[in-house]
Amino acid sequence: AQKVTQAQTEISVVEKEDVTLDCVYETRDTTYYLFWYKQPPSGELVFLIRRNSFDEQNEISGRYSWNFQKSTSSFNFTITASQVVDSAVYFCALSEAPGGGSYIPTFGRGTSLIVHP
Amino acid sequence: DTEVTQTPKHLVMGMTNKKSLKCEQHMGHRAMYWYKQKAKKPPELMFVYSYEKLSINESVPSRFSPECPNSSLLNLHLHALQPEDSALYLCASSQDLAGGLNTDTQYFGPGTRLTVL
Repeated sequence: AQKVTQAQTEISVVEKEDVTLDCVYETRDTTYYLFWYKQPPSGELVFLIRRNSFDEQNEISGRYSWNFQKSTSSFNFTITASQVVDSAVYFCALSEAPGGGSYIPTFGRGTSLIVHP
Repeated sequence: DTEVTQTPKHLVMGMTNKKSLKCEQHMGHRAMYWYKQKAKKPPELMFVYSYEKLSINESVPSRFSPECPNSSLLNLHLHALQPEDSALYLCASSQDLAGGLNTDTQYFGPGTRLTVL
């Protein structure tokens, strides 16, 4: 069964600090997909990134970067030079389709990031 | 355009009321989802529609009744709810339920904050 662990419940940083949000997953499938979503206080989950299991290239998008390592089953998310607007709950998610079924993501418990001015 | 809209934004209802939540997307997506999210928890999947047919029902009580009138619309009919049903209800859509071609990425609406008195 698939499982996503976000061990950090809450992280508090001061603006301009770099911060890394950890995500560790478990799956028996060789084909799977990993996601990060941001949920600001307004409630909407905002899609940030999708990564498939065959692509271990790290990705950078502005101040955001992601480090995917199959060897440690981790998909960590780093925000460089954090800003107050980055304050939100961040969810890591994993989807797989055992037996060729539907790809429905399983969400981690989320990490609440608080960025202080 | 990756917009999913939901109405109403907030809803307060008594335990004997009947109300409906509405969700709409115009991205041509053929999979639509209802999630329930309690405070400080990840979203919990309730229902999945694929090509306007109910594909997954996660053992949700019958006081929640989903409906998919067409490929763009998803409703959630509420009747005889309990106070513990108070939560944020999120709608999401994806191109379909298959992985592979990035068709499984879910895009979420802003949610409806439901309070049951």
